Amino acid sequence: DAGVTQSPTHLIKTRGQQVTLRCSPKSGHDTVSWYQQALGQGPQFIFQYYEEEERQRGNFPDRFSGHQFPNYSSELNVNALLLGDSALYLCASSPAENGELFFGEGSRLTVL
Amino acid sequence: RKEVEQDPGPFNVPEGATVAFNCTYSNSASQSFFWYRQDCRKEPKLLMSVYSSGNEDGRFTAQLNRASQYISLLIRDSKLSDSATYLCVVKGYSTLTFGKGTMLLVSP
Repeated sequence: DAGVTQSPTHLIKTRGQQVTLRCSPKSGHDTVSWYQQALGQGPQFIFQYYEEEERQRGNFPDRFSGHQFPNYSSELNVNALLLGDSALYLCASSPAENGELFFGEGSRLTVL
Repeated sequence: RKEVEQDPGPFNVPEGATVAFNCTYSNSASQSFFWYRQDCRKEPKLLMSVYSSGNEDGRFTAQLNRASQYISLLIRDSKLSDSATYLCVVKGYSTLTFGKGTMLLVSP
């Protein structure tokens, strides 16, 4: 049973570019949450998707957007990248909005 | 005040030592509490949930004091493999709020 898978694992972008990160949830999970973890910090909640809708959102600007597909997979898009967007982006899935979260290994984004 | 605050660390301890991590949270409406472990450059993984009655899992003991909004994790007989960052996590309705984490380094 595959766990949460994320792609790409590493990527490098320059300021002003746009990036799309992808996440496939654990089998049987319908809820996907995204977190940003800067170096030396704990993960910060970006948003959560359930039934293809954004259900909750953390304190992140509109440059951060997402999508959930009918197969429950999800994308995180970040526009107009800033140096401060460099971080590990973690996707977590759960069997319901209140279920236990399982994390993927993350996508490490470096913005130059 | 930050939502979840932890000891700054790092903690450097010898094998066999007992080490305690402390955490406070600001939202009294928080519903669930956890300790996660994160190895270097890896994803966080659930170590254990924390209950008001206190709970133990082998060498690990977690405590919750709702009145003081305080959570603790005790590791007895530390092993080299315990070296990691320990994240205190508080859950509201459906999202997790993480502390900054406390790094533990266990040396031979």
